[in-house]
Amino acid sequence: SQQGEEDPQALSIQEGENATMNCSYKTSINNLQWYRQNSGRGLVHLILIRSNEREKHSGRLRVTLDTSKKSSSLLITASRAADTASYFCATGSPGAGNNRKLIWGLGTSLAVNP
Amino acid sequence: DAGITQSPRHKVTETGTPVTLRCHQTENHRYMYWYRQDPGHGLRLIHYSYGVKDTDKGEVSDGYSVSRSKTEDFLLTLESATSSQTSVYFCAISDGKWVSFGSGTQLSVL
Repeated sequence: SQQGEEDPQALSIQEGENATMNCSYKTSINNLQWYRQNSGRGLVHLILIRSNEREKHSGRLRVTLDTSKKSSSLLITASRAADTASYFCATGSPGAGNNRKLIWGLGTSLAVNP
Repeated sequence: DAGITQSPRHKVTETGTPVTLRCHQTENHRYMYWYRQDPGHGLRLIHYSYGVKDTDKGEVSDGYSVSRSKTEDFLLTLESATSSQTSVYFCAISDGKWVSFGSGTQLSVL
């Protein structure tokens, strides 16, 4: 069963615009992670936010976490064509041995048009 | 792809035949995973390992078995392949923090 649900399923923007993707989950978590997947490739880790953190930055990425709403958002600022990919959230649950069994969402497909 | 090699990259096989996919890592990570990725289902965990000879089932383990005789190798076996096992299979490793993925194996069962 899927824990994370990304929203929207697909997003199309122009280069230079910001892209925001959301992830909702159902149960208590230790951390929430965001990954990127380029077409035909494996997933690449982008950023991890712990359950006691509210916001985290990494370059052009900004992640927020609201544990009261069981939701997270990923913001990509000043998007580039190279950001075109699918983005997935994954949650690690308490007692699950860190990342032994991450629960994955279905992903948001982002298209950045030149 | 973070010191992870999956083989083969592509395979076409017939229903009822056994298939083994191999994952080899050079990172000495403790945890290894096999996922399958299908449209509409996202990533689903098949089996995982938390050490040599220590494995456990994921959410879609029926029809699959795994073995880990060395830290660096994690094998996924389809004992008798079925068409429903046509998928992209990803191996992943973790040191307990985040997860790194291999490039995937495209398996087609005809």
